[in-house]
Amino acid sequence: EAGVAQSPRYKIIEKRQSVAFWCNPISGHATLYWYQQILGQGPKLLIQFQNNGVVDDSQLPKDRFSAERLKGVDSTLKIQPAKLEDSAVYLCASRAGGQAQTDTQYFGPGTRLTVL
Amino acid sequence: AQSVTQLDSQVPVFEEAPVELRCNYSSSVSVYLFWYVQYPNQGLQLLLKYLSGSTLVKGINGFEAEFNKSQTSFHLRKPSVHISDTAEYFCAVRPVWNTDKLIFGTGTRLQVFP
Repeated sequence: EAGVAQSPRYKIIEKRQSVAFWCNPISGHATLYWYQQILGQGPKLLIQFQNNGVVDDSQLPKDRFSAERLKGVDSTLKIQPAKLEDSAVYLCASRAGGQAQTDTQYFGPGTRLTVL
Repeated sequence: AQSVTQLDSQVPVFEEAPVELRCNYSSSVSVYLFWYVQYPNQGLQLLLKYLSGSTLVKGINGFEAEFNKSQTSFHLRKPSVHISDTAEYFCAVRPVWNTDKLIFGTGTRLQVFP
């Protein structure tokens, strides 16, 4: 079974530029997450989708960050314009999305963003 | 609310020595507990998880962890480490009733020396 795929793996941009990250979850997984992992910290949830609907975006800086999952499969996270403090690894995760309490999140390799 | 504390930011150890990575959590509700490993330039991989039953949980790569409810701890152990175990290890918790709210600690960097 293929895992969660993300691209690009690395991105370097200047501040005030725009950037987009792509995620393809495990096949059949209804729930998709985007996390931000700043150096020296654990991942923090930015946004959660259930199929193509947003479940939780309370931690997403909506003035500059946006995300979509139009067909309930792939997802894109965008930052516009980027700030220096956005330098981080952006992780995508997915889970099957059922009601089972034992359901587990599986993570992709991440995209390392450096804002200069 | 839940929180996770990993007191050791770095743990250096020689190859073939035993290691313990400490994790303490705080929660007013019942939680499930997880350990994830992150190898250099890679995403998070699930090492093991405690959901219920035996408090000693065995995971991949020879790691195990013990859930101690009275001490609110979930320490990760390996009796003999390899160079390839060098990585960042994250402890995480989530409420039993909420499959989405995964809270991570700040991580412990395990550095194995030859």
